[in-house]
Amino acid sequence: AQSVTQLDSQVPVFEEAPVELRCNYSSSVSVYLFWYVQYPNQGLQLLLKYLSGSTLVESINGFEAEFNKSQTSFHLRKPSVHISDTAEYFCAVTGSGSNYKLTFGKGTLLTVNP
Amino acid sequence: GAGVSQTPSNKVTEKGKYVELRCDPISGHTALYWYRQSLGQGPEFLIYFQGTGAADDSGLPNDRFFAVRPEGSVSTLKIQRTERGDSAVYLCASSFGPPPYNEQFFGPGTRLTVL
Repeated sequence: AQSVTQLDSQVPVFEEAPVELRCNYSSSVSVYLFWYVQYPNQGLQLLLKYLSGSTLVESINGFEAEFNKSQTSFHLRKPSVHISDTAEYFCAVTGSGSNYKLTFGKGTLLTVNP
Repeated sequence: GAGVSQTPSNKVTEKGKYVELRCDPISGHTALYWYRQSLGQGPEFLIYFQGTGAADDSGLPNDRFFAVRPEGSVSTLKIQRTERGDSAVYLCASSFGPPPYNEQFFGPGTRLTVL
């Protein structure tokens, strides 16, 4: 069985500060990893994904995540956040062992303060 | 509209009643998924359709839950004899092809409240 742990339920930061949202997963087979974002009053949107190849993946709005197989982690980082980054962020994993079902973490609420 | 739509946006019902939740996927998307998101939790997989057939229904919690997609487009999630524990946001997503390489696009959800 696969699972995802998001270690922080809430992360408050000031604007222009760096941020890291942590995600650890467990899976017995090859994995594919995702970060989804949910802005206030909007639906879930894919932020970035790791399927294969380079372990460092980036989004168009400056977020990046690195797949670390030895530490079973896929932490999300941004060097300088904006108020508009305030949202809930969900880490998710899938793989052949789960018939490619997406398993989500509980989410991390990122609040960026001025 | 170009996105996934779900109706109704809110549904309030009484314990024991029957409800239907509708999902209109993005046109041309062959894969469709239902998830349930309880308060303070991430989305939880319920069922996945590829075309008209349920490719994986292992997430349905019990036989009170059933979903159909008769023409390979619109899907309906049906819940019989609702219980207070069924209260949650029910999310639908669609993708152009099967997972994992095809991005899932999510709808805004239906908030179900069982009194």
